[in-house]
Amino acid sequence: QVQLVQSGPEVRTPGSSVKVSCKASGVTFSSSTFHWVRQAPGQGLEWMGRLIPLLDVPVSAPKFQGRLTLTADKSTNTAYMQLSTLRSDDTAVYYCANSIKLWYFDYWGLGTLVTVSS
Amino acid sequence: EIVLTQSPGILTLSPGERATLSCRASQTIRSSSVAWYQQKPGQTPRLLIYSASSRATGIPDRFSGSESGTDFTLTISRLEPEDVAVYYCQQYSSSPLTFGGGTKVEVK
Repeated sequence: QVQLVQSGPEVRTPGSSVKVSCKASGVTFSSSTFHWVRQAPGQGLEWMGRLIPLLDVPVSAPKFQGRLTLTADKSTNTAYMQLSTLRSDDTAVYYCANSIKLWYFDYWGLGTLVTVSS
Repeated sequence: EIVLTQSPGILTLSPGERATLSCRASQTIRSSSVAWYQQKPGQTPRLLIYSASSRATGIPDRFSGSESGTDFTLTISRLEPEDVAVYYCQQYSSSPLTFGGGTKVEVK
């Protein structure tokens, strides 16, 4: 079955960056799409961007352009999300999600809590 | 950017009742490109419906989706206590992908 295993919780100070990993199994890694979705405490879901490892062309939501870097390592079936210049309102659970055909989210990782605090 | 407006914000019903959740899009959605997700307290979202009305694998048939123009609806035909959750709609018609603000379903 499909599993998306994310890295553990992170604590960062304002202005720093964070990199979260998402190791996939049970999917055709290169040809599927990996999305990143975040959820601030008590808030709704927010799409950040996507990457198809085969094409290696990331697409970011306008809100995150310039701060978001999406990459993938096909040798280890791992997708990465790096967010820079962190602010306190970046505190959230960051989810890796996978799309097989169209851009809805068939599978989700368990999420990685990123806390930004001085 | 397509804005999705969900209503009501909170829905409180008794077990066995019918729940109707609304999601209105600010622009035309191409090819029925709307999905619905269920997020139970403390859990990861789960795909319920895609392409406006197709149930995802393993989803009970009491969950159904429909569309009319820019209005999309998720219906839970007979509410069960385990359906307590926040439900989100999402459009994948155009980038950036967007979610509605969610409807919280409570059971009396």
